[in-house]
Amino acid sequence: SAVISQKPSRDICQRGTSLTIQCQVDSQVTMMFWYRQQPGQSLTLIATANQGSEATYESGFVIDKFPISRPNLTFSTLTVSNMSPEDSSIYLCSVSTGYVGETQYFGPGTRLLVL
Amino acid sequence: GENVEQHPSTLSVQEGDSAVIKCTYSDSASNYFPWYKQELGKRPQLIIDIRSNVGEKKDQRIAVTLNKTAKHFSLHITETQPEDSAVYFCAASDNDMRFGAGTRLTVKP
Repeated sequence: SAVISQKPSRDICQRGTSLTIQCQVDSQVTMMFWYRQQPGQSLTLIATANQGSEATYESGFVIDKFPISRPNLTFSTLTVSNMSPEDSSIYLCSVSTGYVGETQYFGPGTRLLVL
Repeated sequence: GENVEQHPSTLSVQEGDSAVIKCTYSDSASNYFPWYKQELGKRPQLIIDIRSNVGEKKDQRIAVTLNKTAKHFSLHITETQPEDSAVYFCAASDNDMRFGAGTRLTVKP
């Protein structure tokens, strides 16, 4: 499995500001995903980050709020824009070494608290 | 789209007993079914997975069964140990992976 790191591991932010989360993989991967996990809840897919094309967003998530970059096959960023306390959550990136629907491995997560 | 339901939401067993977690899915096109274990404050870790062309898969104390006709799959943990205590998530995937709500398993010593 791939080794996945995320930065920052945690942050406390003021409402109205933005935070960019980085996800780095130690090998080239086809698919990268961004999830949100509220405390005690399941994993909700925000978007699929495609290298060389626009990210594909799930229902309820929009590019203006969660812009995503995927400049190469080992790196992606998720920005949480104009934050509110409702954005407080854990954000996880995930990678698949295969194609859509294949095994996914998760990064350690970024714990975000918005005051 | 795919909808995955997972039961029970919490499960408490005595050390050494077996634990069973069940999931159902809605999309008959789903063909990949992984199970993840998430310990408190940690990332989800893949523990076992099964594909639609297989009915059962076993790895030491854990096993997964799949009934494609009924669209349900289950995780079985035998001889449970306190370190098995965690939240377990099932998932079903065709083009997109959808997760169940999770089961909090507590193994009492």
